[in-house]
Amino acid sequence: EAQVTQNPRYLITVTGKKLTVTCSQNMNHEYMSWYRQDPGLGLRQIYYSMNVEVTDKGDVPEGYKVSRKEKRNFPLILESPSPNQTSLYFCASSEQGAREKLFFGSGTQLSVL
Amino acid sequence: LAKTTQPISMDSYEGQEVNITCSHNNIATNDYITWYQQFPSQGPRFIIQGYKTKVTNEVASLFIPADRKSSTLSLPRVSLSDTAVYYCLVARGSQGNLIFGKGTKLSVKP
Repeated sequence: EAQVTQNPRYLITVTGKKLTVTCSQNMNHEYMSWYRQDPGLGLRQIYYSMNVEVTDKGDVPEGYKVSRKEKRNFPLILESPSPNQTSLYFCASSEQGAREKLFFGSGTQLSVL
Repeated sequence: LAKTTQPISMDSYEGQEVNITCSHNNIATNDYITWYQQFPSQGPRFIIQGYKTKVTNEVASLFIPADRKSSTLSLPRVSLSDTAVYYCLVARGSQGNLIFGKGTKLSVKP
């Protein structure tokens, strides 16, 4: 089954404790991206990757890192999480040339205390 | 990059047709208009995409006027299960930075 898999589904952590949210897709998509969703603000793009080893900032990249060492994986790293990063996070992927037709994961609800 | 404006929320009753309009005044020539549906506790899912005129699939219809500065998602005879947030995205296939609007929360009542 074609899918984007995020882990974990829920995560509670404390300020400053590094964490990684994993994202994997099995559709051989070149494009992958991360979004955060907050009440009243909709979906905001954090980072995106056009292909392996190619990443770029989205609209809200501060406090986040990403890497794209393999085509299928695109982890989101929070080196020193803060409470304002408490949010619902989504990973998505799409084909080259049709990046606007995204397949989303089920989301990761992160709480930073 | 085209920005979009949608109503924050809409209410409807079962069996009615619902039309959600998205404004995108600075749409570029190569941009497509894509709509997503998001149920609670799930990721958004693609429902329809168009470039001009009208597109219809088993879920919805998308109407795009000639100037393409707006688009209307039409959901025929909604049911309770259509209660969701609907997002309009205006972008082209070569684009990396994708800017979603704030979405329209549709509530369908019995």
